[in-house]
Amino acid sequence: RKEVEQDPGPFNVPEGATVAFNCTYSNSASQSFFWYRQDCRKEPKLLMSVYSSGNEDGRFTAQLNRASQYISLLIRDSKLSDSATYLCVVTDLYGGATNKLIFGTGTLLAVQP
Amino acid sequence: GAVVSQHPSRVICKSGTSVKIECRSLDFQATTMFWYRQFPKQSLMLMATSNEGSKATYEQGVEKDKFLINHASLTLSTLTVTSAHPEDSSFYICSAKGHYTGELFFGEGSRLTVL
Repeated sequence: RKEVEQDPGPFNVPEGATVAFNCTYSNSASQSFFWYRQDCRKEPKLLMSVYSSGNEDGRFTAQLNRASQYISLLIRDSKLSDSATYLCVVTDLYGGATNKLIFGTGTLLAVQP
Repeated sequence: GAVVSQHPSRVICKSGTSVKIECRSLDFQATTMFWYRQFPKQSLMLMATSNEGSKATYEQGVEKDKFLINHASLTLSTLTVTSAHPEDSSFYICSAKGHYTGELFFGEGSRLTVL
């Protein structure tokens, strides 16, 4: 079983749609969680951290369910510029010096005009 | 602007040659840098953790004699792919931990193609 699993997609949605991505992780000791965005042939960029209480940043909402070891990302009012691969990322040490990131394979989002 | 610079962004080489990729942290000191590899349609896989002034820590299955890592200064880590073969063709990305925020910043990546 992969440490971090995501639906690879692609998710093809029209502009303005709401889309949700899910992610599960296998290590119950994982402490920190993130969503990264990766454009084609580019490096990953941090989109947002994910907290147990859930957090929102504009059109983006992230949630964490520790009991189910499940993370989600909701994008409202999709824009063409949201088209990218969204990577679910967990760390295996809480604030540890190494901050070893474990990446999911990513979910590809294509927003259509 | 980028806080981690990686060079070269693209390299094509012949099988059997060695290729060096540089990763520099700009405007901050990075005691720890990380090297990842990403094959097409796959996730980023951590190869090794590079610590300034000491030997790198390699992940299981990564050959330390093939992927040489040097972290001689607080702002520079290098990855050398020795005797490269076509199966080494991949996207190599470095990252460095921000000094104050702890956020990881990624380099722009280096796409290696071995003919």
